[in-house]
Amino acid sequence: GDKVKQSPSALSLQEGTNSALRCNFSIAATTVQWFLQNPRGSLINLFYLVPGTKENGRLKSAFDSKESYSTLHIRDAQLEDSGTYFCAADPGTGSNRLTFGKGTKFSLIP
Amino acid sequence: AQTIHQWPVAEIKAVGSPLSLGCTIKGKSSPNLYWYWQATGGTLQQLFYSITVGQVESVVQLNLSASRPKDDQFILSTEKLLLSHSGFYLCAWLSNERLFFGHGTKLSVL
Repeated sequence: GDKVKQSPSALSLQEGTNSALRCNFSIAATTVQWFLQNPRGSLINLFYLVPGTKENGRLKSAFDSKESYSTLHIRDAQLEDSGTYFCAADPGTGSNRLTFGKGTKFSLIP
Repeated sequence: AQTIHQWPVAEIKAVGSPLSLGCTIKGKSSPNLYWYWQATGGTLQQLFYSITVGQVESVVQLNLSASRPKDDQFILSTEKLLLSHSGFYLCAWLSNERLFFGHGTKLSVL
């Protein structure tokens, strides 16, 4: 089975709404990173997380290593938030072997 | 500031032909460098990583090879392309434990 399972696989919402994306890990992740791949294909690093919570503007992410999951909350979604969100887990120190989830395709209805 | 340049931006190649993709990073000494592959609509699969000149570790080969001829350069190549090599190739580097990606090369094998 998938070592990093993302849900939902796709999400379509109206502008201005809030949403939550989730990753469940079947590997012992020590750190997690979240990325946004925009419609042009570029990947943007949103967060690097050790167990705990981080916030950046309208984005907030949490990582619980004991329960093996991470979440990404998007508040007041805007058109520029569209794209595919990936989480990636690192089972040890450093990022030489990141394992990516299959992504959540996020689209906004104007 | 660190910058990463990938070339070419896109390639259309015939099955059986050779391939060379390149990645150059500026503004960072002795970076950890990575090659990732992404099938259309798929997740990211790590192919190779390198922590120093002349050293490359294979994660998943897919009939490809990689080399690190200079501190700031990472090359992905094959002598004979397969149809299954089509997809999006991304070079990445590690900075403060976070992974950052280049803009990618779209490869179509016909």
